[in-house]
Amino acid sequence: QKEVEQNSGPLSVPEGAIASLNCTYSDRVSQSFFWYRQYSGKSPELIMSIYSNGDKEDGRFTAQLNKASQYVSLLIRDSQPSDSATYLCAVNRRGADGLTFGKGTHLIIQP
Amino acid sequence: GAVVSQHPSWVICKSGTSVKIECRSLDFQATTMFWYRQFPKQSLMLMATSNEGSKATYEQGVEKDKFLINHASLTLSTLTVTSAHPEDSSFYICSVTPDSGVTDTQYFGPGTRLTVL
Repeated sequence: QKEVEQNSGPLSVPEGAIASLNCTYSDRVSQSFFWYRQYSGKSPELIMSIYSNGDKEDGRFTAQLNKASQYVSLLIRDSQPSDSATYLCAVNRRGADGLTFGKGTHLIIQP
Repeated sequence: GAVVSQHPSWVICKSGTSVKIECRSLDFQATTMFWYRQFPKQSLMLMATSNEGSKATYEQGVEKDKFLINHASLTLSTLTVTSAHPEDSSFYICSVTPDSGVTDTQYFGPGTRLTVL
């Protein structure tokens, strides 16, 4: 059974600090990895996708992937109160598959 | 990213009635669309994969006769919840992977909140 695990939090981070979110997955043949942000009552919005081992940076966000350890992370630099949301990690085997989501980490950025 | 719309954004219905939810890809053609469901304080769960021109593929535990999916065109998929009951109350969200995309990124619609009385 495919599983994606995340610490549900809440994770509280001071404004301006780095927020670190982690995710592990069980399906070794997973090929695609995504981080989505979901505000309360809204649908998920894509933050980043990553497909290869290593780091991928986009603005204040950096995704890290380690397939050997089956581990994905998301770093948010210079955290802002508007970053307060639930962050969902999602994986799939291939593009034609639906996503398997973790339960999400609730992030709170304290002003 | 791709723009995806859903209609209606919310619906309240009586137990035993049927509700149709539309998902439209406004910017791209999409052979494949996905339907997810999210119960309060839980994560998204994949219900089914909608394929244009063929039958939908349902996840284990999802009743295909209860959740009817029709992928009428490359830009429209509909989910009909038949004989809805209070336990079907949930947030239903579709996603689209554009056919022209270079990656398999899924873009989500705004969701439809269903309340069954």
